[in-house]
Amino acid sequence: AQSVTQLGSHVSVSEGALVLLRCNYSSSVPPYLFWYVQYPNQGLQLLLKYTSAATLVKGINGFEAEFKKSETSFHLTKPSAHMSDAAEYFCAVSPNSGGSNYKLTFGKGTLLTVNP
Amino acid sequence: EAGVAQSPRYKIIEKRQSVAFWCNPISGHATLYWYQQILGQGPKLLIQFQNNGVVDDSQLPKDRFSAERLKGVDSTLKIQPAKLEDSAVYLCASTRLPARLGWETQYFGPGTRLLVL
Repeated sequence: AQSVTQLGSHVSVSEGALVLLRCNYSSSVPPYLFWYVQYPNQGLQLLLKYTSAATLVKGINGFEAEFKKSETSFHLTKPSAHMSDAAEYFCAVSPNSGGSNYKLTFGKGTLLTVNP
Repeated sequence: EAGVAQSPRYKIIEKRQSVAFWCNPISGHATLYWYQQILGQGPKLLIQFQNNGVVDDSQLPKDRFSAERLKGVDSTLKIQPAKLEDSAVYLCASTRLPARLGWETQYFGPGTRLLVL
């Protein structure tokens, strides 16, 4: 079974500081990996995805993530935090084949707060 | 293009009562998902429809939860009777193509927040 672990349920940074949200996955085969963002009272929005192409993935709003197979990690980064980045972030994993219907398994989420 | 619509946005009921949630996916989307998001956890897939057929309902508590997608468009998720542990946000999502044709972005609705007292 696949799973993801998000280290840190709450991360607080200052505006302009580096954002680093950690995600480690467990999978017997190379998976697809995703980061979603959820703003208060809204649904989830896809930030970026890794689907076996380039290991450094760029997403929306200046975020990027790097797939590191040796470390089974897919950490999310942004060089400079903005107040509008305050939200909850979810890492998710799915099998890399359609036979499983690309079923998503989510982590527990990391709440990012940005201090002025 | 209109997004995924869900109603109601909030619902408060007492345990053992029944409740129903409605989802209207993006027009033309073949695949529809219902997720349960308990406070402090990530969303968990309850059921996946392709058109009006069920693809995966392995995590749906079938003794109390039911879902249907008549005519392959909008969908209803029902809980009967509700328990305290059903308090959660219920999210609906959709994709344009069936999953067997390849990975696609899931578009999520705003969710229905359920509180069971």
